[in-house]
Amino acid sequence: AAGVIQSPRHLIKEKRETATLKCYPIPRHDTVYWYQQGPGQDPQFLISFYEKMQSDKGSIPDRFSAQQFSDYHSELNMSSLELGDSALYFCASSPAGTPEQYFGPGTRLTVT
Amino acid sequence: AQKVTQAQTEISVVEKEDVTLDCVYETRDTTYYLFWYKQPPSGELVFLIRRNSFDEQNEISGRYSWNFQKSTSSFNFTITASQVVDSAVYFCALSEGRRGGSNYKLTFGKGTLLTVNP
Repeated sequence: AAGVIQSPRHLIKEKRETATLKCYPIPRHDTVYWYQQGPGQDPQFLISFYEKMQSDKGSIPDRFSAQQFSDYHSELNMSSLELGDSALYFCASSPAGTPEQYFGPGTRLTVT
Repeated sequence: AQKVTQAQTEISVVEKEDVTLDCVYETRDTTYYLFWYKQPPSGELVFLIRRNSFDEQNEISGRYSWNFQKSTSSFNFTITASQVVDSAVYFCALSEGRRGGSNYKLTFGKGTLLTVNP
């Protein structure tokens, strides 16, 4: 069965650079969630999209932006990267109206 | 606001022991969903179970069992006859229900690191 795809799996950036993380949901899933997991911490909700519209926003820095495209894939754009942005970023997708979330393998971002 | 508390930061057991991971939640919603996820050292989040607030039936799946008690706002997870491969961080998570929408963001507990020693 198809799973959530995230790319890249690993990313190394320097401070003040920008990064783009991509998420490809399971086919026919129209809802996407983004989570950030710092070292030794629990995942924190960043933002979600339903039918290409932002549906909720969590503790996402103003330096970050995200969108969902017509093919339902989503991108998380991160600018002016800081050391504290080093984390595992998860994307999850779900069919409309259900609480099930299927997580991707995550993108490990390291900011040096 | 919703909150999930996993009071046990770390648990260490010897293989074949039974172990229970505690989870206590807070929510003002009458409809909500509880989850357990496993995160092995490789980092992925593995879904284990979902329980709806209106279904208090306990569940057993192989060596895993879950005890949901609304009266104490708890959703505990027991591993019977633990194995080394069970070593991981286990997260309990809560999602509040939304009628007509599609936003079920998860609030996670801090996680419990389970180490099963041979």
